[in-house]
Amino acid sequence: EVQLVESGGGLIQPGGSLRLSCAASGFTVSSNYMSWVRQAPGKGLEWVSVIYSGGSTYYADSVKGRFTISRDNSKNTLYLQMNSLRAEDTAVYYCARDLPSSSTLPGFRGMDVWGQGTTVTVSS
Amino acid sequence: QSVLTQPPSVSAAPGQKVTISCSGSSSNIGNNYVSWYQQLPGTAPKLLIYDNNKRPSGIPDRFSGSKSGTSATLGITGLQTGDEADYYCGTWDSSLSAARVFGGGTKLTVL
Repeated sequence: EVQLVESGGGLIQPGGSLRLSCAASGFTVSSNYMSWVRQAPGKGLEWVSVIYSGGSTYYADSVKGRFTISRDNSKNTLYLQMNSLRAEDTAVYYCARDLPSSSTLPGFRGMDVWGQGTTVTVSS
Repeated sequence: QSVLTQPPSVSAAPGQKVTISCSGSSSNIGNNYVSWYQQLPGTAPKLLIYDNNKRPSGIPDRFSGSKSGTSATLGITGLQTGDEADYYCGTWDSSLSAARVFGGGTKLTVL
């Protein structure tokens, strides 16, 4: 079964650090484009970061320089290292898999597999 | 404020049809695929539509998607109470480095 399971969320003080994990089963993380998407309480979805199969990484302006996306191929796991956390980073964080693109279907086609989410609360 | 604009809420009676709009620009919807997601209360988003108008396996044909110019529309026919959820459109914005963008979401109420 294709599945993503996040972990690592919790309560953290402003300025602190946290690392989220997203364990995949049923497919290979390193062969896919993988994203982190967050949802603040009562708000909509906000894309945070993506790592491409080739290793390139990209970030939303709101987290650039503070968050780092990475993966461990041996563990088939995606990570999000979050530093210098702010109150506005409080959200449920989801990992998600992009549908594969190709030369005939280029670009972002959608996210077909989502984890259940892990909650990050930044508060003193 | 979201790059893509959706109405905050829509409502309709069971059995009826509803449409949800998603408006963008040439840098996002105008030149990229649109996807739609359903988020039931307390759950993760679920892919409903990809590549503008394709349904993943298991998604009933009551759900449909279309795109014209810089706007996209999600249609739901034969509304059921279980369709009450938040719906989000998503795409890629080529003016932002590799950025995936989402609409602000639309709350569907089945009266």
